[in-house]
Amino acid sequence: GDSVTQMEGPVTLSEEAFLTINCTYTATGYPSLFWYVQYPGEGLQLLLKATKADDKGSNKGFEATYRKETTSFHLEKGSVQVSDSAVYFCALRGAQKLVFGQGTRLTINP
Amino acid sequence: EAQVTQNPRYLITVTGKKLTVTCSQNMNHEYMSWYRQDPGLGLRQIYYSMNVEVTDKGDVPEGYKVSRKEKRNFPLILESPSPNQTSLYFCASSLRDPAYDEQFFGPGTRLTVL
Repeated sequence: GDSVTQMEGPVTLSEEAFLTINCTYTATGYPSLFWYVQYPGEGLQLLLKATKADDKGSNKGFEATYRKETTSFHLEKGSVQVSDSAVYFCALRGAQKLVFGQGTRLTINP
Repeated sequence: EAQVTQNPRYLITVTGKKLTVTCSQNMNHEYMSWYRQDPGLGLRQIYYSMNVEVTDKGDVPEGYKVSRKEKRNFPLILESPSPNQTSLYFCASSLRDPAYDEQFFGPGTRLTVL
């Protein structure tokens, strides 16, 4: 079945560091891919998405490119801020649902 | 304000005592869903509903019930809770199939079953 695998967390970085959170998927065909963010005490919010191969999703300085050759959708940001501290979930479009990865907790220290 | 609301936000209960977690959305969405979030497992779908009176099982439906009598409400019912249902629960909604439309999440309900 469809599945999503994210890099193990937690990840701790200093402010202004470069961020990469790895995400790979297994699925039939080429599903839409998503990154969701969960800030402390809140529900999930859509951060960005890509609907087909080679698409780049971007939002709030975050980017991710849909790579069908490597079945990956890695999340990147050039310069993180303390306010980026959250849990990040990679997900793909399944049949009438989203299939989520296990989540990666990110902490940014000033 | 467009939103998904859940109540209660926190609940501690005992094994076997029936409980209901309510979920309501004010966006006239057709699709609603319940997920549970457990450490290391991400979010797993419990039940979903494509519209009023249409519900179906997700990946982990055992021990849960749902109903969809009105478009805006999608309560999650635990008839006889057990400790392995201790988890963080999220309700979500989207205009139609979440494959095509953005899913909006509620703030979560943290349930502890003793």
